[in-house]
Amino acid sequence: GAVVSQHPSRVICKSGTSVKIECRSLDFQATTMFWYRQFPKQSLMLMATSNEGSKATYEQGVEKDKFLINHASLTLSTLTVTSAHPEDSSFYICSASIGDNSPLHFGNGTRLTVT
Amino acid sequence: QQQVKQSPQSLIVQKGGISIINCAYENTAFDYFPWYQQFPGKGPALLIAIRPDVSEKKEGRFTISFNKSAKQFSLHIMDSQPGDSATYFCAASTENAGNMLTFGGGTRLMVKP
Repeated sequence: GAVVSQHPSRVICKSGTSVKIECRSLDFQATTMFWYRQFPKQSLMLMATSNEGSKATYEQGVEKDKFLINHASLTLSTLTVTSAHPEDSSFYICSASIGDNSPLHFGNGTRLTVT
Repeated sequence: QQQVKQSPQSLIVQKGGISIINCAYENTAFDYFPWYQQFPGKGPALLIAIRPDVSEKKEGRFTISFNKSAKQFSLHIMDSQPGDSATYFCAASTENAGNMLTFGGGTRLMVKP
């Protein structure tokens, strides 16, 4: 089955620094990947749609200059949290699909803690 | 505006019992309805999914019931086991299964031995 890999699984950073999270599709190519954020005991909220070779599409209320998304290849999308603050601490999860009629598969998430 | 409403928020079931989780949606353009299971610290994993052209789909102990006119769908877990204890999310998307998902609020299921 399709495998989506995220790295790192956990990261702790100091306030004001930037953190990059990688999302890879291991055995398939993904022209589109989705980035979600999940706060403790809450649901997944879509942050942005990452499109290979073009700009990401951000959901309302998500700052594109703070959450930089790069989808430079068909197997890799990155999310960079810039100038992180404690309120950015969350569980970030990416997802991708093999194709239009195949379901979304999720990575195992990245737990970001900003101190 | 929450487009997919899920209930209950938490559920406790005895081992061997039936777990039932309900979802309701508002957007009539939704035409793909998956259920995901999530364990703590892990990403969601697809359990089972349904499209509006059928009213029920069963895979092992998991069954989705779908009511298009009421815009509701539910997950039934038969013979619930302690290993089923997790958070379950219903979701919906338009057009394609690989399209972006709108998630329900989640249900934390605990199956007591």
